[in-house]
Amino acid sequence: DGGITQSPKYLFRKEGQNVTLSCEQNLNHDAMYWYRQDPGQGLRLIYYSQIVNDFQKGDIAEGYSVSREKKESFPLTVTSAQKNPTAFYLCASSTPHRANSNQPQHFGDGTRLSIL
Amino acid sequence: GESVGLHLPTLSVQEGDNSIINCAYSNSASDYFIWYKQESGKGPQFIIDIRSNMDKRQGQRVTVLLNKTVKHLSLQIAATQPGDSAVYFCAENPLRPSISSGSARQLTFGSGTQLTVLP
Repeated sequence: DGGITQSPKYLFRKEGQNVTLSCEQNLNHDAMYWYRQDPGQGLRLIYYSQIVNDFQKGDIAEGYSVSREKKESFPLTVTSAQKNPTAFYLCASSTPHRANSNQPQHFGDGTRLSIL
Repeated sequence: GESVGLHLPTLSVQEGDNSIINCAYSNSASDYFIWYKQESGKGPQFIIDIRSNMDKRQGQRVTVLLNKTVKHLSLQIAATQPGDSAVYFCAENPLRPSISSGSARQLTFGSGTQLTVLP
């Protein structure tokens, strides 16, 4: 079935360590997104990518980095510069934006990152 | 700043009753709205969407109403079932010229309403 796969489901980070969260989609979507969700809150955009080899900062990009070398993949690295990384991370994708048409974002099942 | 908010953080309904979840938005330039359902430990699941040139759209057991005059969005769930228990988010897509020519949409999410279906 087509969908978005995030791995791992749970991840633990040690002090000063970088960790990378995987996101793969087989929906043939051009656009991909990373969100952070804290308890009892909505989603906040970290980074997004409109096409391969292109990505843009979202609202809370500090302490994170991404790459988009393949259409199917959009990994997120949580760096040691992110001082409060404990959260639920969600990856999404969507078809290309077209004026006056609907393109909802479709989400993976997330990775929960905790600090050791 | 711009925000998408919900009137009530929690909502409890009896099984079989209809549910109404409300959402207020403040960006009059938004042209697209989406409702998502999120179950515990999972990612948001698309329910229904609506464009700003419509005021009502129906799906299977769900209806979204859009009132642009008062910047209000609602999700109606008919004959609520136990499986409907989840957090429901509304999201809006404010027009942002910086990416209007690209393929991505930036969504602004509300904080969510927890729907609990009582037996």
